[in-house]
Amino acid sequence: EVQLLESGGGLVQPGGSLRLSCAASGFTFSSCAMSWVRQAPGKGLEWVIGISGSGGATYYADYVKGRFTISRDNSKNTLYLQMNSLSAEDTAIYYCAKAYSGTWYRFDYWGQGTLVTVSS
Amino acid sequence: QSVLTQPPSASGTPGQRVTISCSGSSSNIGSNTVNWYQQVPGTAPKLLIYSDNQRPSGVPDRFSGSKSGTSTSLAISGLQSEDEADYYCAAWDDSLNGVVFGGGTKLTVL
Repeated sequence: EVQLLESGGGLVQPGGSLRLSCAASGFTFSSCAMSWVRQAPGKGLEWVIGISGSGGATYYADYVKGRFTISRDNSKNTLYLQMNSLSAEDTAIYYCAKAYSGTWYRFDYWGQGTLVTVSS
Repeated sequence: QSVLTQPPSASGTPGQRVTISCSGSSSNIGSNTVNWYQQVPGTAPKLLIYSDNQRPSGVPDRFSGSKSGTSTSLAISGLQSEDEADYYCAAWDDSLNGVVFGGGTKLTVL
């Protein structure tokens, strides 16, 4: 059974940093691209950032370039999101999403999400 | 403002057929396949349709997708109360080099 378990969310001050993790199980982690997708309170889904199975390729939404970094440790089956220079606009539930093997954005499994709140 | 445009709301009565549209451009829907997601409030999204018109195993055949040019549609036939949810289209955008979502459509079953 595929499982994605996010952690690391919480309350952070504007300008601060936070690192999210997503522990994966139930599939060959290194064979699948992964992404982070966020959802601000009462708003729609917004793709944030993605990484290939090997970690050799990454793609970013324009609004996070230079602030957010995605990485993965295939030996630990874990995906990470390092978020710096956070602002109130980054307040959202952050979902870890698995892409179907061989695809970039067919997100066939999602985690339950972790809430990030940026506020003073 | 979302790159892909969806109506904010749709509604229907049980048993009816409802269609949700999603429009984009040549850099996204016009050149890449579209996926649809269903999200019941308070839960994670679920893949509903992939590659424009394919259903993952377990998704009822009441759900179908179609595409023409730079527009795509999700159709739900035999509407049921459990279909009440938010629906999102998504595609890769070649100009932005990333995934773009529609703003979402809230489906109400009257």
